[in-house]
Amino acid sequence: NAGVTQTPKFRVLKTGQSMTLLCAQDMNHEYMYWYRQDPGMGLRLIHYSVGEGTTAKGEVPDGYNVSRLKKQNFLLGLESAAPSQTSVYFCACRRPSVYEQYFGPGTRLTVT
Amino acid sequence: QQQVKQSPQSLIVQKGGIPIINCAYENTAFDYFPWYQQFPGKGPALLIAIRPDVSEKKEGRFTISFNKSAKQFSLHIMDSQPGDSATYFCAASINSGYNFNKFYFGSGTKLNVKP
Repeated sequence: NAGVTQTPKFRVLKTGQSMTLLCAQDMNHEYMYWYRQDPGMGLRLIHYSVGEGTTAKGEVPDGYNVSRLKKQNFLLGLESAAPSQTSVYFCACRRPSVYEQYFGPGTRLTVT
Repeated sequence: QQQVKQSPQSLIVQKGGIPIINCAYENTAFDYFPWYQQFPGKGPALLIAIRPDVSEKKEGRFTISFNKSAKQFSLHIMDSQPGDSATYFCAASINSGYNFNKFYFGSGTKLNVKP
């Protein structure tokens, strides 16, 4: 029972390159979230999903796209990476009836 | 504009001390206030949480004090230990429709408990 896993753990991109971050959960939770964590800013919501096939924008969605084709997976895409997207990205999931979020270990992304 | 303001940014206490971390909010629609603990290289993990109809909640050495009229809440760690050294985040949740809650996080407090 792995909980929430994120792939990759680290990545360095050049400006303009694209990549996809994968979040996978084996907890059978409906809701999934993508956050970014920056020093002195806490965690900020990028996109979220309330179920398979549905996604919605959070506080800071610009420059990111997401997809939830399967209930257990939530993908975060960067089409054209910018240095401002250098951050640590966390995925989380939770059940509708329970407020507790379960976080993955994070992906540290550097854009040069 | 940050929805939840957290202070201090960092805190150093001696073992056995009682560090206190404070958070403030403006939106009275927030309905759930969790605290998360994060160790280096790990994701945040829920530590303790409170709802606005309760003024205090204790779980082990961790206590949340909640002041609804002042729109403030705080985390107290009794008999702090070096193993409590971590970054702590407060958060607030709001129902965003379809029974879905968004969470707004404070900026974090890095706690160092010296032996």
